[in-house]
Amino acid sequence: QVQLVQSGAEVKKPGASVKVSCKASGYTFTSYDINWVRQATGQGLEWMGWMNPNSGNTGYAQKFQGRVTMTRNTSISTAYMELSSLRSEDTAVYYCARQAVTADYWGQGTLVTVSS
Amino acid sequence: DIVMTQSPDSLAVSLGERATINCKSSQSVLYSSNNKNYLAWYQQKPGQPPKLLIYWASTRESGVPDRFSGSGSGTDFTLTISSLQAEDVAVYYCQQYYSTLLFTFGPGTKVDIK
Repeated sequence: QVQLVQSGAEVKKPGASVKVSCKASGYTFTSYDINWVRQATGQGLEWMGWMNPNSGNTGYAQKFQGRVTMTRNTSISTAYMELSSLRSEDTAVYYCARQAVTADYWGQGTLVTVSS
Repeated sequence: DIVMTQSPDSLAVSLGERATINCKSSQSVLYSSNNKNYLAWYQQKPGQPPKLLIYWASTRESGVPDRFSGSGSGTDFTLTISSLQAEDVAVYYCQQYYSTLLFTFGPGTKVDIK
């Protein structure tokens, strides 16, 4: 069965960077794009960008341009999302999701807390 | 950017009654070359990731109960729960995937039991 398993919760100081991993199983990792979506506590869903695991091509929402980097390691079927220059407003649950027609399978989410 | 809006913000429906959620996009998400609306609906329960319910505006994802249906075209869409069950209490989001530069979500509609 398709599964996306994300890395554990992180606590970071303002100005630091965080790298969240998303390990895929149950399907061919390079056949589907991976999206990243975040959700602040009690708030809605915010799409951050996509990555093609086959080519490594990426597309980022303008809001995150210059601060986000999406990469992958195909040998271990894992996608990564790194967000830099963290600020308190980046405190949120970060999700990876497989993109079929649209996001059909989601990871369990990774809570990133930014606090001094 | 395509902006998605939803109405109402929340609604309370009696068990077994119909729930209707509306979603509007700031520009058409109908792709003329294939006549498909690039619009999806998600359900999110507390502490869980979103679950895909509907894509192409009206196609149910595998395993989704048939009490969930989607309709609409262009800029105006509706998610209908024909007979609300207790397990349907959740927040529902629409999302456009027409613009590959930005897959925007609506703000969400909270559904509760009356």
